[in-house]
Amino acid sequence: KQEVTQIPAALSVPEGENLVLNCSFTDSAIYNLQWFRQDPGKGLTSLLLIQSSQREQTSGRLNASLDKSSGRSTLYIAASQPGDSATYLCAVRDNYGQNFVFGPGTRLSVLP
Amino acid sequence: EAGVAQSPRYKIIEKRQSVAFWCNPISGHATLYWYQQILGQGPKLLIQFQNNGVVDDSQLPKDRFSAERLKGVDSTLKIQPAKLEDSAVYLCASSLVDPYNEQFFGPGTRLTVL
Repeated sequence: KQEVTQIPAALSVPEGENLVLNCSFTDSAIYNLQWFRQDPGKGLTSLLLIQSSQREQTSGRLNASLDKSSGRSTLYIAASQPGDSATYLCAVRDNYGQNFVFGPGTRLSVLP
Repeated sequence: EAGVAQSPRYKIIEKRQSVAFWCNPISGHATLYWYQQILGQGPKLLIQFQNNGVVDDSQLPKDRFSAERLKGVDSTLKIQPAKLEDSAVYLCASSLVDPYNEQFFGPGTRLTVL
């Protein structure tokens, strides 16, 4: 059964810092991995989708990498801003039931 | 392009009562998902539809939860009777044909069971 973990659970950084969020999964047989952001009381906003054949995806200040063999993905945020404050979740779609399994999220606070 | 719509946004009921949630996916999206998100946790998939057929409902508590997607568009999720532990946010998402496409989420319905 696929399990997804995210470290750290919470992170607080000053504005302008570059930061890395980590996502680990136990079964490397995946179709793809997706990063989301969730603001308090809101739904999820898709940030980046990485297919299993890809190594990384970039969108603006965000860069996500995928290492299937080690069961890891990282989300890199460059020059963080207070508006980046949110919970960041990763989710993995596996090859078997095509189920979509979420991690618990990392709660990010960017201080002005 | 309009996003995924859900209603109501908030619902408060007493235990043993019934409740229903509605979802309208993005136009043209064949796949629809219902998730349950308990406070402090990531969403957990309850049921996945492909058009109006069920693809995966292995984590749906079928003794009290039911869902349907008539005509392959809108969907409703029902809980009857509700328990205290059903208090959560219920999220609906949709995507083009799986499994390669990204999911788009609605704003969710926050359910409180007293």
